[in-house]
Amino acid sequence: NAGVTQTPKFRVLKTGQSMTLLCAQDMNHEYMYWYRQDPGMGLRLIHYSVGEGTTAKGEVPDGYNVSRLKKQNFLLGLESAAPSQTSVYFCASSSPGRDRASEQYFGPGTRLTVT
Amino acid sequence: GENVEQHPSTLSVQEGDSAVIKCTYSDSASNYFPWYKQELGKRPQLIIDIRSNVGEKKDQRIAVTLNKTAKHFSLHITETQPEDSAVYFCAAGNMDTGRRALTFGSGTRLQVQP
Repeated sequence: NAGVTQTPKFRVLKTGQSMTLLCAQDMNHEYMYWYRQDPGMGLRLIHYSVGEGTTAKGEVPDGYNVSRLKKQNFLLGLESAAPSQTSVYFCASSSPGRDRASEQYFGPGTRLTVT
Repeated sequence: GENVEQHPSTLSVQEGDSAVIKCTYSDSASNYFPWYKQELGKRPQLIIDIRSNVGEKKDQRIAVTLNKTAKHFSLHITETQPEDSAVYFCAAGNMDTGRRALTFGSGTRLQVQP
């Protein structure tokens, strides 16, 4: 049981390049989230998904797109990378229900640098 | 939307002392308040959470208190140890909506001096 995994772990892009970050979870969770973490700013929600085939915008969606074609995978795309997108990206998943089921499980993160 | 403020941004204590981190939230509909611990270079991990129908919850050396009227909640760590050194994040969210998204505070870097 790997939990939540992310690929790649590190990436350096030049301005204008594109890339896709992959998040996978093996816990059969319905909900998946993409966050970015910048120094002194906590985690900010980029996009999220409440189930296979659904996606929705979070707090900071501009410049990103997402897809959830399979329940276990949530992809984050950058079509034209900008230096402002230099950050650590975390994926998380959770299951519906109350109490402990509200816990979000995080992946190990992807450190992205855009030069 | 929800706004979560967290204080202090850094906190240094002596080993064995207590540490308190405070958060306020703005959306009265929020009903779930988790605390995450993030060690350097690692992923955030849940250490304790509380729902809005409970005023206090304790798990060994850590406890969380919630004041719904004032819209603030706090993390208390007693008998701190060097391994408690990390960044701690509070968060708030409404788990009764389809979104079930969390809004995070900006984090508190806790340093426990041996």
